[in-house]
Amino acid sequence: DGGITQSPKYLFRKEGQNVTLSCEQNLNHDAMYWYRQDPGQGLRLIYYSQIVNDFQKGDIAEGYSVSREKKESFPLTVTSAQKNPTAFYLCASSILSQGANQPQHFGDGTRLSIL
Amino acid sequence: AQSVAQPEDQVNVAEGNPLTVKCTYSVSGNPYLFWYVQYPNRGLQFLLKYITGDNLVKGSYGFEAEFNKSQTSFHLKKPSALVSDSALYFCAVKNRGYQKVTFGTGTKLQVIP
Repeated sequence: DGGITQSPKYLFRKEGQNVTLSCEQNLNHDAMYWYRQDPGQGLRLIYYSQIVNDFQKGDIAEGYSVSREKKESFPLTVTSAQKNPTAFYLCASSILSQGANQPQHFGDGTRLSIL
Repeated sequence: AQSVAQPEDQVNVAEGNPLTVKCTYSVSGNPYLFWYVQYPNRGLQFLLKYITGDNLVKGSYGFEAEFNKSQTSFHLKKPSALVSDSALYFCAVKNRGYQKVTFGTGTKLQVIP
């Protein structure tokens, strides 16, 4: 079955540590997105990418970094500069070739906590 | 700029009764509108979307949504609620020609047996 795989499901970060969240899709989608979900705040966009080797900052990019070396993969690094990283992180993808009205497909998330 | 508001943090409805989850939006031009559902510790699942045309959109699991341009609303409805419909529901808006989607803060639907 095609879909989006996020790993790990749970992740713990120590003070001063960078951690990387994995996101892989086999849907052949062009665009990929990273969102942060906090209770009562909905989803906030961190970064997105429409094509390999290119990505744009979202609304809350500070303290995060991404790469898009392959169409299938869009890893997110939470750096030590992100002072409040505890959240549920969601990766999503969408087709661009069929127009701008296509829905996003989501992975099942990674829950990041501070030790 | 684009924004979406879900005025109710929680909606409670008895099983078998009709349900409505409210959404209003603000966007320049004609919008694309979406509803998603999220179960605990899972990602969002797409329910339905409005692109153009008929103001009543039918989606998955018996859900439908009514687009009202004059009231800039896109309320989610279902004629008869099931306990299994209990989840978190998100409305989302997208300006045509713009890649970013803006999500609402979510409404928790509780269907009471």
